[in-house]
Amino acid sequence: GQQVMQIPQYQHVQEGEDFTTYCNSSTTLSNIQWYKQRPGGHPVFLIQLVKSGEVKKQKRLTFQFGEAKKNSSLHITATQTTDVGTYFCAGLYSGAGSYQLTFGKGTKLSVIP
Amino acid sequence: GAVVSQHPSRVICKSGTSVKIECRSLDFQATTMFWYRQFPKKSLMLMATSNEGSKATYEQGVEKDKFLINHASLTLSTLTVTSAHPEDSSFYICSATGTGIGQPQHFGDGTRLSIL
Repeated sequence: GQQVMQIPQYQHVQEGEDFTTYCNSSTTLSNIQWYKQRPGGHPVFLIQLVKSGEVKKQKRLTFQFGEAKKNSSLHITATQTTDVGTYFCAGLYSGAGSYQLTFGKGTKLSVIP
Repeated sequence: GAVVSQHPSRVICKSGTSVKIECRSLDFQATTMFWYRQFPKKSLMLMATSNEGSKATYEQGVEKDKFLINHASLTLSTLTVTSAHPEDSSFYICSATGTGIGQPQHFGDGTRLSIL
């Protein structure tokens, strides 16, 4: 099946430092979604990117979708302890009249106060 | 909006017991519901996809007779782990989407299943 590769698996940063997680697909995506899962919680939808080269911002979070719609990134500026959690990307694949959302393995972010 | 309620949140039971987990969309009609399994410090493993009124589509390697899924209405899907064994212990989490292609998934709080 389709796979979405997400790196890094873990990231430890000092509070105030920036953080970036990357997702890559070998084939073109219809869209890409980002989710955040706090420790002990469930994934929560953050945003969806659809257009080639799209960039969206949510306060300190910047989401990008590559020109070829095969990769995406999430960048957090000046991390805070509230940013702790695992960030998942999920790529939507389409083909033969069906759609499949595939999650990356996630990047676990730890923020040292 | 888009609240998904999953019940129970925690189950501890003996080996051989069957366990039913409910997933409800509270404020929207869930055309499609998904069931995932998540191992500690691991990603979400999709088990099956269910559409209201039709049979669930199971992912490769997931036993359909072991994990029974019913999606009887647009607001309720159930997962029954039949004759559960210790290796079935895990965190099971459901999600639901509304009508439309590529809609975001809204997750329940998950169920921590422990089989003794």
